[in-house]
This record gives sequence, structure tokens and C-alpha cells, in this order.
Amino acid sequence: KNQVEQSPQSLIILEGKNCTLQCNYTVSPFSNLRWYKQDTGRGPVSLTIMTFSENTKSNGRYTATLDADTKQSSLHITASQLSDSASYICVVGTGNQFYFGTGTSLTVIP
Amino acid sequence: GAVVSQHPSWVICKSGTSVKIECRSLDFQATTMFWYRQFPKQSLMLMATSNEGSKATYEQGVEKDKFLINHASLTLSTLTVTSAHPEDSSFYICSAKRGQGFNSPLHFGNGTRLTVT
Repeated sequence: KNQVEQSPQSLIILEGKNCTLQCNYTVSPFSNLRWYKQDTGRGPVSLTIMTFSENTKSNGRYTATLDADTKQSSLHITASQLSDSASYICVVGTGNQFYFGTGTSLTVIP
Repeated sequence: GAVVSQHPSWVICKSGTSVKIECRSLDFQATTMFWYRQFPKQSLMLMATSNEGSKATYEQGVEKDKFLINHASLTLSTLTVTSAHPEDSSFYICSAKRGQGFNSPLHFGNGTRLTVT
């Protein structure tokens, strides 16, 4: 069964600290893995997209890693800011189908 | 700036009426658009895949006669919630693929908050 699981479900960190979010998947065949940031009441915004041959991709303070062998990905956020408070969603693509993780809710506090 | 525009951003309607939500790709043509529903503190749930010029493909459990999807042009897909009931109240989001490839960017609209009274 194609599934995408994210951990932790929620996370609270102090402003300026780093954090890492996890995504494990069983989707097959694998085409790509995407990380999105979703602010409350808004649509998701793309952070990174990685294909099978890519094992890391950065977008500013966001760095995603991919291990296609173990079917795991992580999103590392450096020097967190209050505006990073949002839900982070891992999406795995297979062909024209996309499987969504349940998201990690991140709260950055001053 | 936004590449997928969704309208309206929120709507309140009475039970039994119909509501239409529009999803437009602003600077690209999208042969495939997707419609999702999102409940509070949950992830997006795919409702249907909208293909330009053909019938939408609905996910299991989604009533196609209740959630009418029309993808009449390469830049516009609409979702009509017919005979709305309070349980249809939710956050509806669309997305559009920019390009045909599997790895093409997938852009999301900003969602529509539907409240049925």
C-alpha cells in the first residue's frame, strides 16, 4: 500500500534553533519527493522537489535530503524564524499520482 | 507571485444551494488539475483529478454528482458543490501541474473556505 508517514506530528522550537522533520514512504514506483510549507488557511507552497538521483536540495534555510534506498527523507530548517511556523507536508509522486503525508505542525516561539 | 488563483477564498451558503469554486493557472497551461479537501489539522485529501477536455477522475468515496468538476480550458477548472449540506463545510484546495512530466512543478491555489449554514 502506498503510504507517506511524517514525524513528529507536531514540534515546538525556540526562534533561532534548527530542527529536522522526517518523512518515510512506501510509494512505488517512485518518481519524486516534494516538501511543501502550508500556512494556516492558505494553500501549500513548494519548498523542494527531488528525483531519484538527487539526495539533497536546498532552498534558503531549508535543506531536504532523500535516501531512495531506505525510502526516507528529511527537511532540515536552519536558524528558525517565527514565520517558519506552519505545517510541512511531504508529498511523494508516482507518475501523475501524488501521495500526501499527514504533515508536521511546526511552531516557532520567541 | 501566485501562479494558481483560486476563487472565492471563502464563501458562506445556505443548505441546499450550489457553490462554484474556480481554479485558474495564471501563466501556464495545465492539462491536469487536482481538487482536494482538507479538514482541520489534517493533510490534503484528493477528491478528483481534472483533465482538460475529458471527464474528471474521482477518488473512491467522492460523489461525482455532488462535486461536479469541469475543466473546460487549459487554464480553468471549476468545482461545483451541489445541494450543499453543513457536512460539506470544509477547506477546498486545487492544484495544477506546470508541464507534462512526472517531475513537473505542482502549484496550489490558496484554498476556499466553504461554510454551509
